[in-house]
Amino acid sequence: SQQGEEDPQALSIQEGENATMNCSYKTSINNLQWYRQNSGRGLVHLILIRSNEREKHSGRLRVTLDTSKKSSSLLITASRAADTASYFCATDYLGGGADGLTFGKGTHLIIQP
Amino acid sequence: DTAVSQTPKYLVTQMGNDKSIKCEQNLGHDTMYWYKQDSKKFLKIMFSYNNKELIINETVPNRFSPKSPDKAHLNLHINSLELGDSAVYFCASSQLGRQGTNYGYTFGSGTRLTVV
Repeated sequence: SQQGEEDPQALSIQEGENATMNCSYKTSINNLQWYRQNSGRGLVHLILIRSNEREKHSGRLRVTLDTSKKSSSLLITASRAADTASYFCATDYLGGGADGLTFGKGTHLIIQP
Repeated sequence: DTAVSQTPKYLVTQMGNDKSIKCEQNLGHDTMYWYKQDSKKFLKIMFSYNNKELIINETVPNRFSPKSPDKAHLNLHINSLELGDSAVYFCASSQLGRQGTNYGYTFGSGTRLTVV
């Protein structure tokens, strides 16, 4: 299976703290993406990092990619209550074409006010 | 303007029935997908459809069939519904780059299917 894995499965922190989630995958990729899913909603694309990039920032989000370890991390700085959601990594596998993205199992993040 | 819209949002039906879920995208994307999200939030791809090429996840029962009347629509038809089909079904679309690179999906809001 090419299924990615996120850890932790669940994370609860205080508002204002930083939240870090990790993702591992199994084969070579074109890029890795992170998505957020609020309860009862569809997934929303947050950020993409290409296989030749090591770090990327977008607002309070910072993503790193280590292709030698086949892993990525998502850091959310200065967390807010509205960041409470599930976060998924998804990989576009090399040669995947129209096969689609493969999603990890997700990290459920709870921000305590 | 909703980019990817699915209907219905909720669907409750009895075992053995046949049902359809509709999906439409107004983004001009060339590829559409169906995913199933189970109770543990695990997302599994069911189908992708690109320029009349259908790619099927081999684990999907043949009771499930996608139908695409045109590039903007990919509907999901399910025959003989079973209890285990209960899940949230998501439609998504993307525009593939060179060599089929996928730069990200736009998802619909999901259809929660409950089979009783």
